[in-house]
Amino acid sequence: AQTVTQSQPEMSVQEAETVTLSCTYDTSESDYYLFWYKQPPSRQMILVIRQEAYKQQNATENRFSVNFQKAAKSFSLKISDSQLGDAAMYFCAILYGGSQGNLIFGKGTKLSVKP
Amino acid sequence: EPEVTQTPSHQVTQMGQEVILRCVPISNHLYFYWYRQILGQKVEFLVSFYNNEISEKSEIFDDQFSVERPDGSNFTLKIRSTKLEDSAMYFCASSEMTASTRYGYTFGSGTRLTVV
Repeated sequence: AQTVTQSQPEMSVQEAETVTLSCTYDTSESDYYLFWYKQPPSRQMILVIRQEAYKQQNATENRFSVNFQKAAKSFSLKISDSQLGDAAMYFCAILYGGSQGNLIFGKGTKLSVKP
Repeated sequence: EPEVTQTPSHQVTQMGQEVILRCVPISNHLYFYWYRQILGQKVEFLVSFYNNEISEKSEIFDDQFSVERPDGSNFTLKIRSTKLEDSAMYFCASSEMTASTRYGYTFGSGTRLTVV
């Protein structure tokens, strides 16, 4: 079974500092996509960043970047210059190339940002 | 920016009653999805829908669940006879391209369903 593991239930970071959220996954597939979603208290799921498994280059979106280690099946999210608005639940997710919509999520990491 | 709209934001229903959760996907999107999140747990896939039929469904999506696109804009999830364990946040999502898009899905803000 395909699984996504987020080993950090909670993390905390000081405003303006950098934090890394970890994610590992288990798959035998070669064609898949990885995502980080943010869920603020409003409960909406917001796409933060995505990564195609066939791309070696790590994705970057402004202050958000990933460290994609395909052999290790690791997909960590780095948030630089953390802001108060970054406080949220962060979910790592995987979507297989042959899937028709079954986005598999991890259990999430709750990020707190201290002023 | 285009949004996926879900109504109602919160619904309370009695066990055994039927509920319909409504979603308006982004207008040019072709693929639609329902997910649910039981409080404190991970988000789980329920069903995907394309071209007026179900593309894929999970084990959770049993005969008590059904989906429909009754017109050109709405996408609904019906639970025929609700159980206490159906209490969860239900998210609708949509995507423009094939379901296996690398672009990810746009989610709505969710409907919190409470079964009492």
